[in-house]
Amino acid sequence: EDQVTQSPEALRLQEGESSSLNCSYTVSGLRGLFWYRQDPGKGPEFLFTLYSAGEEKEKERLKATLTKKESFLHITAPKPEDSATYLCAVTGARSNYQLIWGAGTKLIIKP
Amino acid sequence: GAGVSQSPRYKVTKRGQDVTLRCDPISSHATLYWYQQALGQGPEFLTYFNYEAQPDKSGLPSDRFSAERPEGSISTLTIQRTEQRDSAMYRCASSWRQGEETQYFGPGTRLLVL
Repeated sequence: EDQVTQSPEALRLQEGESSSLNCSYTVSGLRGLFWYRQDPGKGPEFLFTLYSAGEEKEKERLKATLTKKESFLHITAPKPEDSATYLCAVTGARSNYQLIWGAGTKLIIKP
Repeated sequence: GAGVSQSPRYKVTKRGQDVTLRCDPISSHATLYWYQQALGQGPEFLTYFNYEAQPDKSGLPSDRFSAERPEGSISTLTIQRTEQRDSAMYRCASSWRQGEETQYFGPGTRLLVL
């Protein structure tokens, strides 16, 4: 069964304190792994798509990496405006293009 | 439109009533998805459309749930004889086409069944 597990559930950091969020996945025939950001009361906002192990993508203070079993979202020198819930999702050969979602990591950056 | 819109944003109804939620996707997008999202969880798939076709409705929790997209643009999700357990955030997303997995989400409809 395709599955996504994110850790930690919540993470509190000081402004400027770098860290990483983890997304572990089990999927048959990975088609893509997606990172989304979700602010309270809003829909998920697309950040990155990764397709194969070894791939990396960056956007401002965020960098996403992918291995055959997990993805990391690295946050470098975060600012309070980076506070949000970060969601990971995968789609695989059996999922008919459905996204299988993790529960998210709630990130709080304190000034 | 410029983004995905949903209406109403909030809906309070009494148990046993029918409700209809609306989604207006990005105008150039062929594929439209409906999700249910519980607090503190990721979205859970309900159903999706390619234009007006509905290839997969395996995520609909019961036969009280149905969705339509008759002209391949706006979609509605109808819940008949609502129950308290139907209370959730209902989200709509659209993508350019099936297989283009980048999905763009609307703000959601918060449904509360009393």
